[in-house]
Amino acid sequence: KNQVEQSPQSLIILEGKNCTLQCNYTVSPFSNLRWYKQDTGRGPVSLTIMTFSENTKSNGRYTATLDADTKQSSLHITASQLSDSASYICVVSAGFQKLVFGTGTRLLVSP
Amino acid sequence: DVKVTQSSRYLVKRTGEKVFLECVQDMDHENMFWYRQDPGLGLRLIYFSYDVKMKEKGDIPEGYSVSREKKERFSLILESASTNQTSMYLCASGGGGTANTGELFFGEGSRLTVL
Repeated sequence: KNQVEQSPQSLIILEGKNCTLQCNYTVSPFSNLRWYKQDTGRGPVSLTIMTFSENTKSNGRYTATLDADTKQSSLHITASQLSDSASYICVVSAGFQKLVFGTGTRLLVSP
Repeated sequence: DVKVTQSSRYLVKRTGEKVFLECVQDMDHENMFWYRQDPGLGLRLIYFSYDVKMKEKGDIPEGYSVSREKKERFSLILESASTNQTSMYLCASGGGGTANTGELFFGEGSRLTVL
């Protein structure tokens, strides 16, 4: 069964600190993996996409990693800001129109 | 910028009422989707459409129908709303064919409460 599991479910960190969110998947076939950011009351917005051959990709203070062998991805946030408070959703594509969503990690950055 | 607009941000309906949720996108995307989002369950696909007048069932289509008469517009219909359909509904669009990178562009969501 195709599944995407994210951890932790929720996280509170102090402003300025770093954090890492985890995504483990059992999706086959694997096409790509995306991280989305969803602010409260808004729709998700894509942060980054990882394909099979990519190990690391950065988007500003966000760095995503992918280990296709262990089927794990992480999203590292550096020097967190209050605006990083949001849910972060890992989505794995198993081919045409087949997306498997994780349940998300809710991050709260505290001043 | 891609814009996906959902007609209603908040709705309150009574059990048995017919509910229409409208979604319009301005990027000429072939593919459009309706999801519902519930705490602890993540996003679940209700229906999607890859062309005008075409529709495909997602993972949880029961109790819902859709309409796509024009490329830019995708409507979700609850024929007879029930309390277990209280949820956040998210519309999304994405490119098809060679434009399909798998990225979805979401609307702001419609929070439906059924009493």
